Amino acid sequence: AQTVTQSQPEMSVQEAETVTLSCTYDTSESDYYLFWYKQPPSRQMILVIRQEAYKQQNATENRFSVNFQKAAKSFSLKISDSQLGDAAMYFCAYRSASASQGGSEKLVFGKGTKLTVNP
Amino acid sequence: NAGVMQNPRHLVRRRGQEARLRCSPVKGHSHVYWYRQLPEEGLKFMVYLQKENIIDESGMPKERFSAEFPKEGPSILRIQQVVRGDSAAYFCASSPNRNTGELFFGEGSRLTVL
Repeated sequence: AQTVTQSQPEMSVQEAETVTLSCTYDTSESDYYLFWYKQPPSRQMILVIRQEAYKQQNATENRFSVNFQKAAKSFSLKISDSQLGDAAMYFCAYRSASASQGGSEKLVFGKGTKLTVNP
Repeated sequence: NAGVMQNPRHLVRRRGQEARLRCSPVKGHSHVYWYRQLPEEGLKFMVYLQKENIIDESGMPKERFSAEFPKEGPSILRIQQVVRGDSAAYFCASSPNRNTGELFFGEGSRLTVL
């Protein structure tokens, strides 16, 4: 079974600075998706960024980028120019891409990292 | 375009009562997933349904919990004879097909059992 590990329960960053959130995962599959979701106090799960495992290029969405190291099974999230609105829980998640061939459909989540942004 | 709609947002039940949580997926999405989030924890998969079929219920407790996604109407997560340990946030997510990576989440239903 796949597992996702986020080793940092809490992180803090100064406004306008850069912070990196860590995520590692364990799988025997070669084709999969990785995601970072943000959960603000409102509890809505918001997709921040996604990465397809077959793509070597790291995904980027504005101030958010990932460092995807497939061999190391590492998928860290970098937030640049941190803003107060970035404060939230961040969850790393894994999903098999072989669902149509019998792989598991479900997203597997890490336990989350609580990010605080200090003004 | 409406996203995933869940109701009620908050539900309070006494021990032994029944809780029903409803989820309307994104229009056109036929795949629905239910997740449970305990305080200070990540989301745990419960069940995956397509229209009228349960595809994977490996994360759902064998007793008291059931789910359905009828041909017409929302998906329902039903918890019978609730206990205090059922208090949690229950999230529904949907996707248009099996080959899409991303799931779209609702805002969750928070169940409190007194």
